[in-house]
Amino acid sequence: GENVEQHPSTLSVQEGDSAVIKCTYSDSASNYFPWYKQELGKRPQLIIDIRSNVGEKKDQRIAVTLNKTAKHFSLHITETQPEDSAVYFCAASKDYGQNFVFGPGTRLSVLP
Amino acid sequence: DSGVTQTPKHLITATGQRVTLRCSPRSGDLSVYWYQQSLDQGLQFLIQYYNGEERAKGNILERFSAQQFPDLHSELNLSSLELGDSALYFCASSVGTGSPYEQYFGPGTRLTVT
Repeated sequence: GENVEQHPSTLSVQEGDSAVIKCTYSDSASNYFPWYKQELGKRPQLIIDIRSNVGEKKDQRIAVTLNKTAKHFSLHITETQPEDSAVYFCAASKDYGQNFVFGPGTRLSVLP
Repeated sequence: DSGVTQTPKHLITATGQRVTLRCSPRSGDLSVYWYQQSLDQGLQFLIQYYNGEERAKGNILERFSAQQFPDLHSELNLSSLELGDSALYFCASSVGTGSPYEQYFGPGTRLTVT
């Protein structure tokens, strides 16, 4: 079955710097890759997603890139702010929305 | 507020017992997903229902079962509970299946098995 790895497991950056989190997946049939942000004690919330027919997607300070050949996708956060501090999860799904497999998460700390 | 509701918010029970967790999806959403999140761990996909039928199965134990009712709410039943079942259980819903629809997560049910 699908296996999703995520790196790094923890990441500390200075406010204003960029943060990059990378995920790799094993099943070449996966075609939908969302990213979720989970603040302490709260529910995961979708922040951006990308489909397999797109290489890059941007939403203000957040961008996701997908390399289907290498089977990896990355989350890029620019101009980080303290409120970006959270755990970020990547996920992969095939059949567009079935049987999601999540990565283990990255704890991002943005230092003021 | 995602529009997905889960009850109860907290549940404390003893080993060997059985509990039922309930989820009401957002209005109009046909798919319901269940996830288990142990302390400081990632999200483990358990099972997905679409319009009353099981659509996908993940790492769900045989002691666990779920169903989705005609009104689209879903229940996750956990039986013969063990200490290791203590976790946060999330339900999520999405519009449908077969398309990359966003999942909206509920607030979760925190289960503590003593």
